[in-house]
Amino acid sequence: QKEVEQNSGPLSVPEGAIASLNCTYSDRGSQSFFWYRQYSGKSPELIMSIYSNGDKEDGRFTAQLNKASQYVSLLIRDSQPSDSATYLCAVRNNNAGNMLTFGGGTRLMVKP
Amino acid sequence: DAGVTQSPTHLIKTRGQQVTLRCSPISGHKSVSWYQQVLGQGPQFIFQYYEKEERGRGNFPDRFSARQFPNYSSELNVNALLLGDSALYLCASSSDGVGEQFFGPGTRLTVL
Repeated sequence: QKEVEQNSGPLSVPEGAIASLNCTYSDRGSQSFFWYRQYSGKSPELIMSIYSNGDKEDGRFTAQLNKASQYVSLLIRDSQPSDSATYLCAVRNNNAGNMLTFGGGTRLMVKP
Repeated sequence: DAGVTQSPTHLIKTRGQQVTLRCSPISGHKSVSWYQQVLGQGPQFIFQYYEKEERGRGNFPDRFSARQFPNYSSELNVNALLLGDSALYLCASSSDGVGEQFFGPGTRLTVL
């Protein structure tokens, strides 16, 4: 069974710190990786997509991908209380349909 | 530009009933995917449609069915509702089914 694993948290960081969120996946054929943010009671919102090994930066967010280790991470710099949410990692194997396989999410709490 | 829209927002049904959920994708997008999100878990893939054809089906019983219309909107039908069907049902829109997926606000279904 293809799995995506995330630490459920909560991960608590002080305001202004770097939050590091991690995700591992079991399907070596996975080719596309996504991070979504989900506020309580709301739907997931796409933050980042990454397809190649290495880092991808967008504002305060950096996604890191290591396919050899089957590991993807999201760094949030200068964390703000408004970043407090659940962060979902999603993975797709383009050769096995276009479905996204999600982890259970990591709850992030940024304390003022 | 309007994002993904879903209706209704909330729905309460009793066991054994049938329900129809609706979704309109982002203008210009031709693919719609449906996900079920149970409280505390990540979304689980139900169906994907592209150009009115089913492109993928998740591990859900035959009580779940869907279709896509010529205007690319979609309906998800669930028959013989069970208590365990209570969840947030999410519709995701993508331009071609392989790219990034953007979620609508969801329909919260409660089965009593």
